[in-house]
Amino acid sequence: QVQLQESGPGLVKPSGTLSLTCAVSGGSISSSNWWSWVRQPPGKGLEWIGEIYHSGSTNYNPSLKSRVTISVDKSKNQFSLKLSSVTAADTAVYYCARDEGLVGAIRVRAFDIWGQGTMVTVSS
Amino acid sequence: EIVMTQSPATLSVSPGERATLSCRASQSVSSNLAWYQQKPGQAPRLLIYGASTRATGIPARFSGSGSGTEFTLTISSLQSEDFAVYYCQQYNNWPPEITFGQGTRLEIK
Repeated sequence: QVQLQESGPGLVKPSGTLSLTCAVSGGSISSSNWWSWVRQPPGKGLEWIGEIYHSGSTNYNPSLKSRVTISVDKSKNQFSLKLSSVTAADTAVYYCARDEGLVGAIRVRAFDIWGQGTMVTVSS
Repeated sequence: EIVMTQSPATLSVSPGERATLSCRASQSVSSNLAWYQQKPGQAPRLLIYGASTRATGIPARFSGSGSGTEFTLTISSLQSEDFAVYYCQQYNNWPPEITFGQGTRLEIK
């Protein structure tokens, strides 16, 4: 079965760039699914960051769009997140997730598979 | 942006009883609504998508209903493992934004 694993630095300095990678195993990133990043500040709710398709098409949360880049590397079966100009407000657990994809002819952008999450702290 | 509002913030229910959680969208999302369960230290788990379709492996005691702007998640007979935080999520395809509710904490009464 498909599994996702996030990796990257757990500590980022203010004004720096947060960079994370999500490795996809047990399946292909070139399937009909979209791949997302979701974050959760400590003790708070979930926030969608953005998504990517294997073609490279992306959609971003408008509130983060100016600072976010999501990319895909099909050769490595992984996708990545870059978030620039980070502040303490970007401290969170970052999850990668896969959407359900097509159910019949309908695209279901609900997340059926999640990584375990990785904690990123923004601090000097 | 479509704002999702969940109520109540905290729900106290006894094991074996029914729990009813609500989610309201600031504008119609048709049936593009999912529910998740999250336990401490774990990633969310998909329960329901399409407002009423159970995800793979989800017990029948979980059911979802609603369309448009008003949605409900019902857990028919609470088991000890059901006490957790529940989130709703809308996924309208245009604009392609995804937003979550703030969560409902389901606690043991």
